Amino acid sequence: AQRVTQPEKLLSVFKGAPVELKCNYSYSGSPELFWYVQYSRQRLQLLLRHISRESIKGFTADLNKGETSFHLKKPFAQEEDSAMYYCALGAGSYQLTFGKGTKLSVIP
Amino acid sequence: ETGVTQSPTHLIKTRGQQVTLRCSSQSGHNTVSWYQQALGQGPQFIFQYYREEENGRGNFPPRFSGLQFPNYSSELNVNALELDDSALYLCASSPGGERRGYTFGSGTRLTVV
Repeated sequence: AQRVTQPEKLLSVFKGAPVELKCNYSYSGSPELFWYVQYSRQRLQLLLRHISRESIKGFTADLNKGETSFHLKKPFAQEEDSAMYYCALGAGSYQLTFGKGTKLSVIP
Repeated sequence: ETGVTQSPTHLIKTRGQQVTLRCSSQSGHNTVSWYQQALGQGPQFIFQYYREEENGRGNFPPRFSGLQFPNYSSELNVNALELDDSALYLCASSPGGERRGYTFGSGTRLTVV
């Protein structure tokens, strides 16, 4: 069975500080990992995916198959980064398995 | 380019009733997926429709059913509503069954009393 764990419900950081949102997954096959973000009063939207190896809005995430992790990182947090972040696993069929989410609060 | 639209935005139903939620997919997208998001939880996959056929289903009972129409819009039907069905229901469309291209709607907030 697939499982995604985001251990932190809430993460508060000061503006300019580094951010790391943790995500661990459980899946025996070859996974696809995604990060989705939901800003206040907006819909869920894709932030980045591991196969693209891209940096969006300064965020990066590296898939570590040994540690089964896909942590989201940003070197310098900005106030507009405050949002709900969901890690998601794509495995087998087309659906995504989401974690419970981490609320990031950036303190001015 | 229009996005994914869902209707209604909110509704309240009584336990035991039936409900239909609607979703219009983004232009050019032929696949629609439905997710249930309970309070404080991440979205949970219900099922997916591709070319009017269900081609994937999560761990939901048969009283959750759906339809996809020739224009790729979709309905989610829930029979015999239970209190635990209270949640935000999200629709996501994508091109060619490709989950990487998911576009989510704003959701329908269902409250069962």
